[in-house]
Amino acid sequence: DVKVTQSSRYLVKRTGEKVFLECVQDMDHENMFWYRQDPGLGLRLIYFSYDVKMKEKGDIPEGYSVSREKKERFSLILESASTNQTSMYLCASDPRDRGGTGELFFGEGSRLTVL
Amino acid sequence: KQEVTQIPAALSVPEGENLVLNCSFTDSAIYNLQWFRQDPGKGLTSLLLIQSSQREQTSGRLNASLDKSSGRSTLYIAASQPGDSATYLCAVRHYNFNKFYFGSGTKLNVKP
Repeated sequence: DVKVTQSSRYLVKRTGEKVFLECVQDMDHENMFWYRQDPGLGLRLIYFSYDVKMKEKGDIPEGYSVSREKKERFSLILESASTNQTSMYLCASDPRDRGGTGELFFGEGSRLTVL
Repeated sequence: KQEVTQIPAALSVPEGENLVLNCSFTDSAIYNLQWFRQDPGKGLTSLLLIQSSQREQTSGRLNASLDKSSGRSTLYIAASQPGDSATYLCAVRHYNFNKFYFGSGTKLNVKP
Protein backbone atom coordinates (compact mmCIF):
# COMPACT_ATOMS: atom_id res chain seq x y z
CA ASP A 1 0.00 0.00 0.00
CA VAL A 2 1.11 3.52 -0.76
CA LYS A 3 1.92 5.46 2.34
CA VAL A 4 2.14 9.22 2.59
CA THR A 5 3.39 10.27 5.99
CA GLN A 6 3.15 13.74 7.45
CA SER A 7 5.52 13.99 10.38
CA SER A 8 3.49 16.35 12.55
CA ARG A 9 -0.22 15.83 13.13
CA TYR A 10 -0.68 18.86 15.37
CA LEU A 11 1.48 21.97 15.71
CA VAL A 12 1.05 25.19 17.66
CA LYS A 13 3.33 28.06 16.66
CA ARG A 14 3.70 31.75 17.42
CA THR A 15 3.28 34.54 14.90
CA GLY A 16 6.56 35.17 13.10
CA GLU A 17 8.01 31.71 13.70
CA LYS A 18 9.45 29.69 10.85
CA VAL A 19 7.48 26.48 10.38
CA PHE A 20 8.45 23.31 8.54
CA LEU A 21 5.87 20.71 7.51
CA GLU A 22 7.38 17.47 6.29
CA CYS A 23 5.86 14.88 3.98
CA VAL A 24 7.37 11.56 2.93
CA GLN A 25 5.97 9.03 0.46
CA ASP A 26 7.25 5.49 0.04
CA MET A 27 6.15 4.61 -3.51
CA ASP A 28 8.67 6.45 -5.67
CA HIS A 29 6.03 8.90 -6.90
CA GLU A 30 7.18 11.79 -9.07
CA ASN A 31 4.35 14.19 -8.19
CA MET A 32 3.85 15.62 -4.73
CA PHE A 33 1.39 18.28 -3.63
CA TRP A 34 0.65 20.55 -0.69
CA TYR A 35 -2.94 21.66 -0.08
CA ARG A 36 -4.58 23.58 2.68
CA GLN A 37 -8.15 22.89 3.71
CA ASP A 38 -10.38 25.46 5.38
CA PRO A 39 -14.10 25.33 6.21
CA GLY A 40 -16.13 26.82 3.40
CA LEU A 41 -13.11 27.11 1.10
CA GLY A 42 -12.39 23.46 0.43
CA LEU A 43 -8.98 22.24 -0.69
CA ARG A 44 -6.68 24.78 -2.25
CA LEU A 45 -3.36 23.95 -3.89
CA ILE A 46 -0.35 25.74 -2.42
CA TYR A 47 2.52 24.16 -4.39
CA PHE A 48 3.21 21.09 -6.37
CA SER A 49 6.45 19.34 -7.38
CA TYR A 50 6.81 17.04 -10.36
CA ASP A 51 10.41 16.00 -9.73
CA VAL A 52 13.36 16.58 -7.44
CA LYS A 53 14.13 20.29 -7.18
CA MET A 54 11.20 21.10 -9.49
CA LYS A 55 8.17 23.01 -8.25
CA GLU A 56 5.23 24.99 -9.48
CA LYS A 57 3.07 27.50 -7.68
CA GLY A 58 -0.47 26.53 -7.02
CA ASP A 59 -3.44 28.78 -6.40
CA ILE A 60 -2.30 30.26 -3.07
CA PRO A 61 1.52 30.23 -2.83
CA GLU A 62 1.88 33.56 -1.03
CA GLY A 63 3.58 33.18 2.34
CA TYR A 64 4.80 29.67 1.58
CA SER A 65 7.83 28.04 0.00
CA VAL A 66 8.71 24.41 -0.64
CA SER A 67 11.72 22.17 -0.86
CA ARG A 68 12.18 18.88 -2.65
CA GLU A 69 15.77 17.71 -2.30
CA LYS A 70 14.91 14.01 -2.46
CA LYS A 71 12.21 12.29 -4.46
CA GLU A 72 10.41 10.89 -1.43
CA ARG A 73 10.32 14.08 0.64
CA PHE A 74 8.43 17.32 0.06
CA SER A 75 8.59 20.06 2.65
CA LEU A 76 6.33 23.06 3.09
CA ILE A 77 7.91 26.09 4.72
CA LEU A 78 6.17 29.04 6.32
CA GLU A 79 8.94 31.63 6.53
CA SER A 80 7.09 33.81 9.04
CA ALA A 81 3.89 32.24 10.27
CA SER A 82 0.79 34.40 10.54
CA THR A 83 -2.58 33.75 12.16
CA ASN A 84 -4.28 33.48 8.77
CA GLN A 85 -2.14 30.42 8.07
CA THR A 86 -3.94 28.49 10.79
CA SER A 87 -5.34 25.58 8.82
CA MET A 88 -5.27 21.88 8.01
CA TYR A 89 -2.39 21.10 5.65
CA LEU A 90 -2.62 18.04 3.44
CA CYS A 91 0.19 16.43 1.48
CA ALA A 92 -0.53 14.17 -1.49
CA SER A 93 1.42 12.20 -4.06
CA ASP A 94 0.87 10.28 -7.26
CA PRO A 95 2.92 8.68 -10.02
CA ARG A 96 3.25 10.90 -13.04
CA ASP A 97 3.14 7.98 -15.50
CA ARG A 98 0.43 8.75 -18.07
CA GLY A 99 -0.18 5.06 -18.57
CA GLY A 100 -1.01 4.61 -14.92
CA THR A 101 -4.20 5.10 -12.98
CA GLY A 102 -3.44 8.65 -11.91
CA GLU A 103 -4.64 7.87 -8.40
CA LEU A 104 -3.94 10.51 -5.78
CA PHE A 105 -2.88 9.49 -2.26
CA PHE A 106 -3.10 11.73 0.79
CA GLY A 107 -1.35 11.86 4.13
CA GLU A 108 -3.11 12.13 7.48
CA GLY A 109 -2.91 15.90 7.55
CA SER A 110 -1.15 18.44 9.78
CA ARG A 111 -3.30 20.75 11.86
CA LEU A 112 -1.39 24.01 12.35
CA THR A 113 -2.48 26.67 14.80
CA VAL A 114 -0.68 30.01 14.74
CA LEU A 115 -1.18 32.14 17.87
CA LYS B 1 -12.16 26.50 -15.57
CA GLN B 2 -13.41 23.19 -14.22
CA GLU B 3 -15.96 23.49 -11.42
CA VAL B 4 -16.94 20.54 -9.26
CA THR B 5 -20.16 20.62 -7.25
CA GLN B 6 -21.44 18.20 -4.66
CA ILE B 7 -25.06 18.16 -3.64
CA PRO B 8 -26.29 17.89 -0.96
CA ALA B 9 -23.78 19.52 1.36
CA ALA B 10 -25.07 17.43 4.24
CA LEU B 11 -27.21 14.33 4.56
CA SER B 12 -28.63 12.50 7.56
CA VAL B 13 -30.12 9.03 7.14
CA PRO B 14 -31.16 6.14 9.40
CA GLU B 15 -28.94 3.09 9.54
CA GLY B 16 -29.61 0.51 6.82
CA GLU B 17 -30.73 2.96 4.18
CA ASN B 18 -29.26 2.93 0.67
CA LEU B 19 -28.10 6.35 -0.40
CA VAL B 20 -26.64 8.26 -3.33
CA LEU B 21 -24.14 11.11 -3.22
CA ASN B 22 -23.80 13.33 -6.25
CA CYS B 23 -20.85 15.00 -7.93
CA SER B 24 -21.11 17.17 -11.04
CA PHE B 25 -18.37 18.78 -13.12
CA THR B 26 -18.46 21.33 -15.91
CA ASP B 27 -15.62 20.22 -18.22
CA SER B 28 -15.70 16.68 -19.63
CA ALA B 29 -11.97 16.71 -20.50
CA ILE B 30 -11.08 14.60 -17.50
CA TYR B 31 -8.49 11.89 -16.97
CA ASN B 32 -10.26 10.29 -14.03
CA LEU B 33 -12.60 10.92 -11.11
CA GLN B 34 -11.81 9.84 -7.58
CA TRP B 35 -14.05 9.54 -4.51
CA PHE B 36 -12.55 10.13 -1.09
CA ARG B 37 -13.70 9.79 2.48
CA GLN B 38 -12.56 12.20 5.18
CA ASP B 39 -13.07 11.66 8.89
CA PRO B 40 -12.97 14.72 11.19
CA GLY B 41 -9.43 16.04 11.60
CA LYS B 42 -7.96 13.43 9.27
CA GLY B 43 -6.64 13.22 5.73
CA LEU B 44 -8.46 11.96 2.65
CA THR B 45 -8.80 8.23 2.12
CA SER B 46 -9.30 7.03 -1.44
CA LEU B 47 -12.47 4.98 -1.92
CA LEU B 48 -12.91 4.52 -5.64
CA LEU B 49 -11.18 5.69 -8.79
CA ILE B 50 -12.93 5.74 -12.17
CA GLN B 51 -10.95 6.28 -15.34
CA SER B 52 -12.52 8.49 -17.99
CA SER B 53 -13.14 5.46 -20.23
CA GLN B 54 -15.00 3.56 -17.48
CA ARG B 55 -18.64 3.73 -16.46
CA GLU B 56 -18.46 2.42 -12.92
CA GLN B 57 -16.35 0.92 -10.16
CA THR B 58 -17.37 -1.16 -7.17
CA SER B 59 -15.78 -1.87 -3.81
CA GLY B 60 -17.80 -3.74 -1.22
CA ARG B 61 -20.93 -1.73 -0.43
CA LEU B 62 -19.76 1.19 -2.55
CA ASN B 63 -20.46 1.73 -6.22
CA ALA B 64 -19.38 4.78 -8.18
CA SER B 65 -20.63 5.64 -11.64
CA LEU B 66 -19.39 8.13 -14.19
CA ASP B 67 -21.26 9.80 -17.03
CA LYS B 68 -18.65 12.00 -18.65
CA SER B 69 -20.95 13.41 -21.31
CA SER B 70 -23.36 14.79 -18.74
CA GLY B 71 -20.62 15.73 -16.27
CA ARG B 72 -21.93 13.59 -13.43
CA SER B 73 -20.77 10.96 -11.02
CA THR B 74 -22.67 9.24 -8.23
CA LEU B 75 -21.47 7.32 -5.20
CA TYR B 76 -23.95 4.70 -4.11
CA ILE B 77 -23.66 3.36 -0.55
CA ALA B 78 -25.68 0.25 0.17
CA ALA B 79 -27.02 -0.65 3.61
CA SER B 80 -25.47 2.35 5.34
CA GLN B 81 -23.89 1.97 8.78
CA PRO B 82 -22.99 4.48 11.51
CA GLY B 83 -19.33 3.88 10.64
CA ASP B 84 -20.02 5.38 7.21
CA SER B 85 -20.50 8.78 8.85
CA ALA B 86 -17.86 11.07 7.34
CA THR B 87 -17.42 13.70 4.65
CA TYR B 88 -17.25 12.38 1.11
CA LEU B 89 -15.38 14.35 -1.54
CA CYS B 90 -15.04 13.85 -5.24
CA ALA B 91 -12.05 15.03 -7.25
CA VAL B 92 -11.66 15.35 -10.98
CA ARG B 93 -8.25 15.03 -12.58
CA HIS B 94 -7.87 17.25 -15.61
CA TYR B 95 -6.75 15.68 -18.85
CA ASN B 96 -3.48 17.62 -18.71
CA PHE B 97 -2.78 15.34 -15.80
CA ASN B 98 -1.36 17.49 -13.05
CA LYS B 99 -4.41 19.53 -12.14
CA PHE B 100 -7.07 18.36 -9.72
CA TYR B 101 -10.42 19.93 -8.93
CA PHE B 102 -12.18 19.06 -5.71
CA GLY B 103 -15.80 19.30 -4.70
CA SER B 104 -16.64 20.82 -1.34
CA GLY B 105 -17.92 17.50 -0.02
CA THR B 106 -21.09 15.93 1.34
CA LYS B 107 -21.16 15.43 5.10
CA LEU B 108 -22.96 12.17 5.82
CA ASN B 109 -24.45 11.24 9.18
CA VAL B 110 -25.83 7.73 9.56
CA LYS B 111 -28.00 7.45 12.67
CA PRO B 112 -28.13 4.20 14.64
